[in-house]
Amino acid sequence: AQSVAQPEDQVNVAEGNPLTVKCTYSVSGNPYLFWYVQYPNRGLQFLLKYITGDNLVKGSYGFEAEFNKSQTSFHLKKPSALVSDSALYFCAVRDTRDDKIIFGKGTRLHILP
Amino acid sequence: DGGITQSPKYLFRKEGQNVTLSCEQNLNHDAMYWYRQDPGQGLRLIYYSQIVNDFQKGDIAEGYSVSREKKESFPLTVTSAQKNPTAFYLCASSQPSGWETQYFGPGTRLLVL
Repeated sequence: AQSVAQPEDQVNVAEGNPLTVKCTYSVSGNPYLFWYVQYPNRGLQFLLKYITGDNLVKGSYGFEAEFNKSQTSFHLKKPSALVSDSALYFCAVRDTRDDKIIFGKGTRLHILP
Repeated sequence: DGGITQSPKYLFRKEGQNVTLSCEQNLNHDAMYWYRQDPGQGLRLIYYSQIVNDFQKGDIAEGYSVSREKKESFPLTVTSAQKNPTAFYLCASSQPSGWETQYFGPGTRLLVL
């Protein structure tokens, strides 16, 4: 089955420290991978995506993600966390059978001042 | 939240009542989607439409119905057959390819009286 997993329900990071939000996937064929962020009572906002090319993808608000084919991972990273980064983060992957997007269950990121 | 609007922001449903959630986009996107978000479960696809006058069931379509009479509009009706409708409902749009970014509306929170 094609799927995406976010193994951590919550991640706590001190402000100014680097942050990582983990994502692993399982699809047949070439993966198209996405990260979205959701602030309270709002819709999702697109951060970045990997389609092909360079394994390190840079996105909005200083976030980046590294595609690792051998580990089937697409972890979200930021060198220095801000309190305003506190939100719910979703990893997503294209289902190669029907082109629909499969979302992970989300990881709540808390940046501690 | 881009060029997608959802209304109302909050909606209350009585037992046995059908209610309709509005979704309008001005992004000229061909594809539109409805997701349901419950705490800890991520986003689950209810219905999607890749072109006007056509739509397909997603993973949890039972108790819901949609129409796509105009490119800009994709209303969702929560019928009385949906026994657990309390959730946050998100509408999204994109071009109909698996690598395209989805743009989300601000959401509608449905509560049962």
